[in-house]
Amino acid sequence: DQQVKQNSPSLSVQEGRISILNCDYTNSMFDYFLWYKKYPAEGPTFLISISSIKDKNEDGRFTVFLNKSAKHLSLHIVPSQPGDSAVYFCAASNAGQGAQKLVFGQGTRLTINP
Amino acid sequence: GAGVSQSPSNKVTEKGKDVELRCDPISGHTALYWYRQSLGQGLEFLIYFQGNSAPDKSGLPSDRFSAERTGGSVSTLTIQRTQQEDSAVYLCASSPYGTGKKAFFGQGTRLTVV
Repeated sequence: DQQVKQNSPSLSVQEGRISILNCDYTNSMFDYFLWYKKYPAEGPTFLISISSIKDKNEDGRFTVFLNKSAKHLSLHIVPSQPGDSAVYFCAASNAGQGAQKLVFGQGTRLTINP
Repeated sequence: GAGVSQSPSNKVTEKGKDVELRCDPISGHTALYWYRQSLGQGLEFLIYFQGNSAPDKSGLPSDRFSAERTGGSVSTLTIQRTQQEDSAVYLCASSPYGTGKKAFFGQGTRLTVV
């Protein structure tokens, strides 16, 4: 049962353009969502998060949008830079219940072309 | 230490042997997670420790897998009678929160069973 899904295994974007990574979830109890970035041979690093009480959170070039009715979130990166090339994982949790694990999607490999 | 530390970084073992993977979380973090990433796959949850509570073992794939966390700090993941399908990168993460919020990952242990 894949509760968090990233349906695009890969995405290629030209430098300077917008990258949009998508994530869908099925568990309506999830109330906290995160994006992680992973370079080869390194552990994932936290990028940005959003609580279910919000529909948008912005941090520099990164913006996460949450559509609760559609159970969908997206990560926008603008402008995209070569250093953004990595695998991006979305994750979700039921933080309101306390002591809950993070459930991850399968990841999307983003390649930024110069 | 400054971050989550895992050892060894790489482990090659023969099928049928037991292996132990170690995780040193960030000091003071109450939550500790183990995940694994098989080739081409997403992050698969294995086990979660939170303070003195009983661990969430719901992700352990078989009874050959076990984990402990001594003194609320260091954790060891043990795989008995390793099989080739156990080959993966095993990632440990810790979090200052017990609510599934931002977790900090180690660099992982790449396990290869031959």
